[in-house]
Formats: sequence, structure tokens, C-alpha cells
Amino acid sequence: AQTVTQSQPEMSVQEAETVTLSCTYDTSESDYYLFWYKQPPSRQMILVIRQEAYKQQNATENRFSVNFQKAAKSFSLKISDSQLGDAAMYFCAYRSGNNNDMRFGAGTRLTVKP
Amino acid sequence: DAGVIQSPRHEVTEMGQEVTLRCKPISGHNSLFWYRQTMMRGLELLIYFNNNVPIDDSGMPEDRFSAKMPNASFSTLKIQPSEPRDSAVYFCASSLGLANTEAFFGQGTRLTVV
Repeated sequence: AQTVTQSQPEMSVQEAETVTLSCTYDTSESDYYLFWYKQPPSRQMILVIRQEAYKQQNATENRFSVNFQKAAKSFSLKISDSQLGDAAMYFCAYRSGNNNDMRFGAGTRLTVKP
Repeated sequence: DAGVIQSPRHEVTEMGQEVTLRCKPISGHNSLFWYRQTMMRGLELLIYFNNNVPIDDSGMPEDRFSAKMPNASFSTLKIQPSEPRDSAVYFCASSLGLANTEAFFGQGTRLTVV
């Protein structure tokens, strides 16, 4: 099965600064999709951004953008102009285009300092 | 739509007891996932269903765990007998049967086995 690795258990950033969360994955598939989810203390899982593996252009959603390096199997999330409300657990996810399953990394806890 | 509905929200049980977690997916979704979240292991995929059929249950930790999906609107995850190490938050998620679509999560069930 595919594996997703988030090597940073915790990260912190100063309010208004930029932070990058790392994610790598292991797969032999060519058809797949990548996602970042946010989990605030409420425990709710919220989609932040998604990336199709066949697209070379990096996805962007307002202050959130990704750096997708397909050859390196890397999918990092950049948060610009960090806000206090960005404090949460962030999970990277891989979804197979072949069998449709969806697997997550262990998560990175982001703290935003005022 | 009410989203994915899980019950109960919290469950405290004694070791050795049977525990049943319930999930109602979003109407029209034909993929359903069960995850377990712990501090140590993050979000682990336990089992997932496509069109009510279990596709991959390799993540189920032991024979004490079982999951069913008798119809498109209901799934259960059962632990029998429960053990303290089963204490975790259990999430159910559903999605359309397309790999480029996000999974929508329920609020989770926090299980404590004493």
C-alpha cells in the first residue's frame, strides 16, 4: 500500500509570516491525487487544497499553495500571511486513482504565535 | 445535507465489552472509509467500502475489529472484546466514487476503554 510521510510532528510560525509543511509519499502508481486537510481543536476535518498528479501547475487557494514535485514524490503546503486561525493539525493525504483508497500521514501540529 | 453522521460522539466502556460505532454517509456517496486517529500513529485507514463492498480491510488491527455496510446509508465498526489500547478517535468519511474528489468526514467518536 502507498505510504504518506510527514516528517515534522510540530511547527510554529509567527503571525503574518510564511510557513511550509512537508509531505512525501511512496507510490508506483501514475494516477493519483493529493490533498491537505486541516483539523482544528474542534476535531472537524476540513479540506484545504487538492492537487491532481497529472497537472504540473501547483494548486493555489488564497493564502494556501502547494509545491508539488512529482519526481521527488513531494507535496508541501505553504501558508502565507499566517493567521491565528490557521493553528491546527494538518494532514497530507494520498488518494489512489486505481483502487480509490485514501491514506493520510501522521500529521503536523501548527502553532501560530501572535 | 447534514453531512456524515457518526454516533455516539463519545463512548466510555470497560475492557472486554463490545463496542459498536455507527456511521451514516452523505447521500449519493458510494465510497466509505473508517479511520482511527491516535497521537502516535496519526490517521490510520482501517477499512474502506466501494458500493457497500469491503475493498481493503488490511488496516484492521486484529480480528477483534469488524466492519459492515449493509446498505448505502449505514455502516458499523465493531470491536469485540475491547481493550484499553483501542482508545482513540474513530472517524468515518464518505466520498463520491471518484479519486479526484475529497472525502467528507464525520465528527468522530472518541472511544475510551477503561
